[in-house]
Amino acid sequence: QVQLQQSGPGLVKPSQTLSLTCAISGDSVSSNSAAWNWIRQSPSRGLEWLGRTYYRSKWYNDYAVSVKSRITINPDTSKNQFSLQLNSVTPEDTAVYYCAKGNWKYWFDPWGQGTLVTVSS
Amino acid sequence: QSALTQPASVSGSPGQSITISCTGTSSDVGGYNYVSWYQQHPGKAPKLMIYEVSNRPSGVSNRFSGSKSGNTASLTISGLQAEDEADYYCSSYTSSSTYVVFGGGTKLTVL
Repeated sequence: QVQLQQSGPGLVKPSQTLSLTCAISGDSVSSNSAAWNWIRQSPSRGLEWLGRTYYRSKWYNDYAVSVKSRITINPDTSKNQFSLQLNSVTPEDTAVYYCAKGNWKYWFDPWGQGTLVTVSS
Repeated sequence: QSALTQPASVSGSPGQSITISCTGTSSDVGGYNYVSWYQQHPGKAPKLMIYEVSNRPSGVSNRFSGSKSGNTASLTISGLQAEDEADYYCSSYTSSSTYVVFGGGTKLTVL
């Protein structure tokens, strides 16, 4: 049974970098059949897919156009986890951030518990 | 504005059936059988209820079913129970550079 445990700060100042980590149990970040995703949810934007990392003989990343210039998702094979970094945040980036396991059929299961990140000075 | 259109709310009495629609375009819902549905209770993470239009994950009640016609997908819940009261979201693969789009969510009230 796959479980995802998120960690990271809940408050980030404008213009700084949002950083979250998602620890995986019951699966491997290096799995050849999985993709590891970040999704956020806010009242104004609803659910928004941000990006993913996956391993197919080498590491790949895909990012949503809306955040492509500011986002980095990295795997950490030594700790079996993956991370999200979102640079130059503004109050518009305030949201609940989720990590989720995905695949090539584009459904997500399971999801992490969610982290409310508030961007405020 | 979400890419997929869902009704803001639906309601039904215990034991009844309800259907939630999810309308997209030929670039997403209509073009691929990659529609999924998620249930979200307040303060909780979304939970997968239906994948690839009509498949139920292990552990999800057979009261939940999915279908698709043209650019519209549907989630039907039969034999409504109080515990079904939640928000429901559809999602689809899209051929745009966004990869995945979500609906705006439907609040289900069990009367």
